[in-house]
Amino acid sequence: EIVLTQSPGTLSLSPGERATLSCRASQSMSRNYLAWYQQKPGQAPRLLVFATSNRATGIPDRFSGSGSGTDFTLTVSRLEPEDFAVYYCQISGGTPRTFGQGTRLEIK
Amino acid sequence: QVQLVQSGAEVKKPGASVRVSCKASGYSFTAYDIIWVRQAPGQGLEWMGWMNPDSTNTGYGQKFRGRVTMTRDTSITTAYMELSYLSSDDTAVYFCARAVRNDLLPDNWGQGTLVTVSS
Repeated sequence: EIVLTQSPGTLSLSPGERATLSCRASQSMSRNYLAWYQQKPGQAPRLLVFATSNRATGIPDRFSGSGSGTDFTLTVSRLEPEDFAVYYCQISGGTPRTFGQGTRLEIK
Repeated sequence: QVQLVQSGAEVKKPGASVRVSCKASGYSFTAYDIIWVRQAPGQGLEWMGWMNPDSTNTGYGQKFRGRVTMTRDTSITTAYMELSYLSSDDTAVYFCARAVRNDLLPDNWGQGTLVTVSS
């Protein structure tokens, strides 16, 4: 079973800065099966990126995903106030469809 | 517009079962899968499984096999998730979501249902 480890646990940045979130898999996995979600307090998650680098419908282009093998990254190029939230990566193919433990992106 | 409306909060005793409903509207109910994800208080997301409302095929996370059952009633476009043998570890918000068939990527979510297990 593949385990996803996200880092850092918390990332403190200011609006306008660039955010780089990491998701490391315990073994090599297909790029087709890595997704990223955003979750704000009291809300359901929202799909941001699927298949490593494809933005979901309506997601701004400041969000981008990359990676391969065991190392995957979500980048937010210029943080907007509404981007401060918790981000999860997920194995989006096969079973189990495990989530990482999350990275909290907070305002510095 | 697409909407998924879940049933209200529940309080259950250890050992009991709970059934959460997810009423879908605004789209063809049998054309999309339904997935279930839960989140314990202050914790991360946990994948529970999926159901194809057309075929009734299901796939459950290993942790939940034997305890979870996902069903649907197409006449009222409602999906259900029943979890049995509840313990305090099952206290969580349970989310349903509509997902594109085969890839199970969610594009619309319910509002979540808090299930509290307490003696």
